[in-house]
Amino acid sequence: DAGITQSPRHKVTETGTPVTLRCHQTENHRYMYWYRQDPGHGLRLIHYSYGVKDTDKGEVSDGYSVSRSKTEDFLLTLESATSSQTSVYFCASKGTSGAEAFFGQGTRLTVV
Amino acid sequence: TQLLEQSPQFLSIQEGENLTVYCNSSSVFSSLQWYRQEPGEGPVLLVTVVTGGEVKKLKRLTFQFGDARKDSSLHITAAQPGDTGLYLCAGDAGTALIFGKGTTLSVSS
Repeated sequence: DAGITQSPRHKVTETGTPVTLRCHQTENHRYMYWYRQDPGHGLRLIHYSYGVKDTDKGEVSDGYSVSRSKTEDFLLTLESATSSQTSVYFCASKGTSGAEAFFGQGTRLTVV
Repeated sequence: TQLLEQSPQFLSIQEGENLTVYCNSSSVFSSLQWYRQEPGEGPVLLVTVVTGGEVKKLKRLTFQFGDARKDSSLHITAAQPGDTGLYLCAGDAGTALIFGKGTTLSVSS
């Protein structure tokens, strides 16, 4: 299995606080993705990266920022958490276009 | 914005029945993938289809990519309770990987 880990796995935070989720992969994959998964919406793309310091917005990027300073790490920051950002967040990576994407086990974030 | 529409959203069937899940888009994708997700886990790849008209089989699962590379289908023959899960199609848009909303399949014995 591809080595991709997310931390933390669970987090409860208060409205208005910043939150950072971390994704770490050991496969030297070029592409990395952050998704959120909510009932009835499938996986919605938040941001993605196609190389170190190369990132772009996805479908639901408002209120989120990302950084990728090293190939193996992709950070997702909620600048000021809101209750609408309560969700399960998945990170994924893949080596090339068309290749299999490998997913982390998800982070369950609750904003109260 | 590239969108993938999956149907049906929910499917509840008896063991032994056949079913088909559809994934449609107005956009052309370089490839289309099908994933399966179990509760509490991340999605896992089932198959990638690349060529228009391509058909791939994985045991009782048959995947087809439309000639225009805008749509795909997943057909399961003689469904079993172990097939229960969330099935997701994903379109490769070069750098972005776009997912449909998924089909939740429940197979009862």
